[in-house]
Amino acid sequence: GENVEQHPSTLSVQEGDSAVIKCTYSDSASNYFPWYKQELGKRPQLIIDIRSNVGEKKDQRIAVTLNKTAKHFSLHITETQPEDSAVYFCAASSPNFGNEKLTFGTGTRLTIIP
Amino acid sequence: NAGVTQTPKFRILKIGQSMTLQCTQDMNHNYMYWYRQDPGMGLKLIYYSVGAGITDKGEVPNGYNVSRSTTEDFPLRLELAAPSQTSVYFCASSYYEGQGTGELFFGEGSRLTVL
Repeated sequence: GENVEQHPSTLSVQEGDSAVIKCTYSDSASNYFPWYKQELGKRPQLIIDIRSNVGEKKDQRIAVTLNKTAKHFSLHITETQPEDSAVYFCAASSPNFGNEKLTFGTGTRLTIIP
Repeated sequence: NAGVTQTPKFRILKIGQSMTLQCTQDMNHNYMYWYRQDPGMGLKLIYYSVGAGITDKGEVPNGYNVSRSTTEDFPLRLELAAPSQTSVYFCASSYYEGQGTGELFFGEGSRLTVL
């Protein structure tokens, strides 16, 4: 099946700085790449997603970029704030393995240092 | 709208016991999923369903069973509980958008401990 690797597993940044989390995927046919945020003790929630026909998508301080040739995609958070502290998961789906299923990365624990 | 509701939130089981985690959604979503979340391991798909009467295995189905008799409900059954099933379980639902699953809406999670 699809394999998604996520790095780094932990990341600490000063408040106001930028944070970047990277994911690679194995299946070149993958076409949907969402990012989920999970605050401590809470459920995961979608923060941004991108489809394979788009190279970049922005939503205020959050952006996702996709490099289909290299099979990787990244989450960029600018002007980080304390409420950005959470675990972030990338995911991917592929028509080869059922577009109705997502394969998740192992998560990145982001800590914003005041 | 309540969204996705899971019960119970917490449960302690003895080895060999059985139980059912309940999940219901009121968003008329056609897709429903069960994930387990182990520390540092992300979310692993146990079972999923693309509609009433249709279920399929995910990455880690062993030791579990599901059914989908209605659009709203997707219970997860644990038979002969084992310590390896200690985890946080999340039910989720989504609406098929033609190009894939779209946004997953998760329940609050059920923390299960098997002793």
